Amino acid sequence: DGGITQSPKYLFRKEGQNVTLSCEQNLNHDAMYWYRQDPGQGLRLIYYSQIVNDFQKGDIAEGYSVSREKKESFPLTVTSAQKNPTAFYLCASGEGRGTEAFFGQGTRLTVV
Amino acid sequence: RKEVEQDPGPFNVPEGATVAFNCTYSNSASQSFFWYRQDCRKEPKLLMSVYSSGNEDGRFTAQLNRASQYISLLIRDSKLSDSATYLCVVNRLSYGQNFVFGPGTRLSVLP
Repeated sequence: DGGITQSPKYLFRKEGQNVTLSCEQNLNHDAMYWYRQDPGQGLRLIYYSQIVNDFQKGDIAEGYSVSREKKESFPLTVTSAQKNPTAFYLCASGEGRGTEAFFGQGTRLTVV
Repeated sequence: RKEVEQDPGPFNVPEGATVAFNCTYSNSASQSFFWYRQDCRKEPKLLMSVYSSGNEDGRFTAQLNRASQYISLLIRDSKLSDSATYLCVVNRLSYGQNFVFGPGTRLSVLP
């Protein structure tokens, strides 16, 4: 079945560690996105990519990094520079051209 | 001012009620508009796209007013299963395309 897979579903990180969240899609979508959601809040854009080997900062990119080496994959690294990383992270993909975005099931990151 | 704003909610309504959600956006160059539904601790899922001519899907009706930069969602005969947070989403016209999400309005349908 086509879709977006995020892993892991739950992730615990010690302060000062970098962690990488996986996002894979087999929908053949060009565009991929990473969002962060805090409790009771809306989604905020971290990074997005329209094509392979190209990506753009979103509204809250500080403390995060991404890569887009393959069309199917858009991993997000939460670095130690991100001061408040505990949140729900959502990856999405879309065809662009005004069409909708499809989401993975999310990764809940907790700093311990 | 946020780029996409919604009714703050929450809305608590009895089963069978009609409920309306409102959304405004500030970027006049926005091209595409959507309503998503998000259940607690789950990912958002597309409910419906919103077209200038208005569109309906069963009990759900969406309207877009580009001149007023206003989007609405109407749910008729609400069901317990409609309880969720409803997100208004606007597709920016900028490099590439990316989505701006409103903060969401939570709906609780009560028996």
